[in-house]
Amino acid sequence: AQSVTQLDSQVPVFEEAPVELRCNYSSSVSVYLFWYVQYPNQGLQLLLKYLSGSTLVKGINGFEAEFNKSQTSFHLRKPSVHISDTAEYFCAVSVPSGYSTLTFGKGTMLLVSP
Amino acid sequence: DSGVTQTPKHLITATGQRVTLRCSPRSGDLSVYWYQQSLDQGLQFLIHYYNGEERAKGNILERFSAQQFPDLHSELNLSSLELGDSALYFCASSVRPSEGYGYTFGSGTRLTVV
Repeated sequence: AQSVTQLDSQVPVFEEAPVELRCNYSSSVSVYLFWYVQYPNQGLQLLLKYLSGSTLVKGINGFEAEFNKSQTSFHLRKPSVHISDTAEYFCAVSVPSGYSTLTFGKGTMLLVSP
Repeated sequence: DSGVTQTPKHLITATGQRVTLRCSPRSGDLSVYWYQQSLDQGLQFLIHYYNGEERAKGNILERFSAQQFPDLHSELNLSSLELGDSALYFCASSVRPSEGYGYTFGSGTRLTVV
């Protein structure tokens, strides 16, 4: 079975500062990795995903993530955040076979202040 | 609008009662997933249906059941409700999850048991 650990439950940051949200996963097989964002009172929206190939993945709203197999990590980064980036961010993992389901981390709340 | 429709958006009911949550997947998606989101447990996978058949079960209580109909919409039935069942219930759909397509989430149903 797979598992995901998001090390920070909350990350406060000032507007226009860079941010990194950390995600580590555990799996005995190769995986697909995802980052989702949840704005208040909304569902989850896909930010980006890693399936294979280049380890640096670019997503929507200026976010990017880097897959590191040796460290089993998939950290999310943005060079300059906006107030509107305030939301909860979820890292998720699945395996590329059968009817695999997404396993989510517990989420990281990104709080951007002026 | 993600294309995944969940009704109702809010539901308040008493302990011991039964409720039905409804989900219409995005057009063309055969897979439907149900997740429960609570503050203490995070996002927990409940059940997965593919083209009308149950494919995977997660942390779903025996008091809960689901089905997917021929038109691909799905219903999650929660019975003998307890205070601890209060949570956000999300439905998600996917076209080919084993190929890394990820899930599209609905906006959720907020269930409050009083």
